[in-house]
Amino acid sequence: DAGVIQSPRHEVTEMGQEVTLRCKPISGHNSLFWYRQTMMRGLELLIYFNNNVPIDDSGMPEDRFSAKMPNASFSTLKIQPSEPRDSAVYFCASSWGTGAEAFFGQGTRLTVV
Amino acid sequence: AQSVTQPDIHITVSEGASLELRCNYSYGATPYLFWYVQSPGQGLQLLLKYFSGDTLVQGIKGFEAEFKRSQSSFNLRKPSVHWSDAAEYFCAVGAGNQGGKLIFGQGTELSVKP
Repeated sequence: DAGVIQSPRHEVTEMGQEVTLRCKPISGHNSLFWYRQTMMRGLELLIYFNNNVPIDDSGMPEDRFSAKMPNASFSTLKIQPSEPRDSAVYFCASSWGTGAEAFFGQGTRLTVV
Repeated sequence: AQSVTQPDIHITVSEGASLELRCNYSYGATPYLFWYVQSPGQGLQLLLKYFSGDTLVQGIKGFEAEFKRSQSSFNLRKPSVHWSDAAEYFCAVGAGNQGGKLIFGQGTELSVKP
């Protein structure tokens, strides 16, 4: 298996622009997680899906952030409009079943200038 | 509130020396506990996990960790460190019964001296 695939690996955008991050989970996994990593706040969970349904989005920082999972093999995290403080590494992870460990993608490094 | 504390931000050890990275957690029920490793520019790789049973768990790359309920700790150990172990290490607790819904510690950066 190729693991969790995220794209792009790096994204540089200007403040105010829309940014879309993409994730393909491991085939057969039924839970998907979006995390953000910053120096100040460390790794924090933004949102997670179970069977394509958003279960907990309490970590989404603002309404500028939205996430979708239209099918079991694809998810997006969108920031509109982007701001410099959104600069971070965004990780997607997937898992299967209750209590199973999550497998992480390589991350997308977002820089908003 | 659920939390994970890694008291050591940065540790330096000599190659071949033993290693122990500390992790303390706060969680109301029996926790799922994990250690992940992150190399520069890379994602997180699972080293080992504890769900239940034997409190000493073995992981990949020669790592092990011991769950001590009385101390709310889950320290990571390795008897002999290799230069390739230099990385950042994260302890995490799984919230609820969802193993991917993780609360992470702030991480410990490990440097290895030749």
